[in-house]
Amino acid sequence: NAGVMQNPRHLVRRRGQEARLRCSPMKGHSHVYWYRQLPEEGLKFMVYLQKENIIDESGMPKERFSAEFPKEGPSILRIQQVVRGDSAAYFCASSPLTQGDGNTIYFGEGSWLTVV
Amino acid sequence: GQNIDQPTEMTATEGAIVQINCTYQTSGFNGLFWYQQHAGEAPTFLSYNVLDGLEEKGRFSSFLSRSKGYSYLLLKELQMKDSASYLCAVPVWAAGNKLTFGGGTRVLVKP
Repeated sequence: NAGVMQNPRHLVRRRGQEARLRCSPMKGHSHVYWYRQLPEEGLKFMVYLQKENIIDESGMPKERFSAEFPKEGPSILRIQQVVRGDSAAYFCASSPLTQGDGNTIYFGEGSWLTVV
Repeated sequence: GQNIDQPTEMTATEGAIVQINCTYQTSGFNGLFWYQQHAGEAPTFLSYNVLDGLEEKGRFSSFLSRSKGYSYLLLKELQMKDSASYLCAVPVWAAGNKLTFGGGTRVLVKP
């Protein structure tokens, strides 16, 4: 049973380019969360999605960032016109439809974005 | 809103015990997580406490006091591989399983 799969693991972009990060949740999980971790900091919530719906995007920067979770395929976090401050680790997590006993939130290995 | 505080860094000796404290303020409480994160890796689940008291899992134990808004993670018989960041997090069940994390405590284990 594959875990939460993220790709690419490492991505280098020049300032002004676009970055696309993909996340395939665990089988049977319909909730996806994206978190960002800046160097030497804790994880910060960005967005919570279910299939074809954005449930909570209160942590997303107002500009240049967008996320989707289509009916088919992985969830995608898209960052347009990247700047150096976007350099961070982006983690995806998934959980099943029902609220579990706490250990039902699974994290992917993360995507490390470096903007040069 | 939610706020979580934990120390930035701690140092301990191999074989010793270290206690990492976490205080939180939440508008509603739905349990508390502890995660371990090695540098350059994903967080891995350690524990989840929803009731007061101590829960032990091998060398790691986690304690919760809901009335005090306080938790700690206890690491016993420290090993070099325990050098990592330890993240305290609280979920907001009303918003799925959205987690609010503390800044993490970096533990350095010295020989």
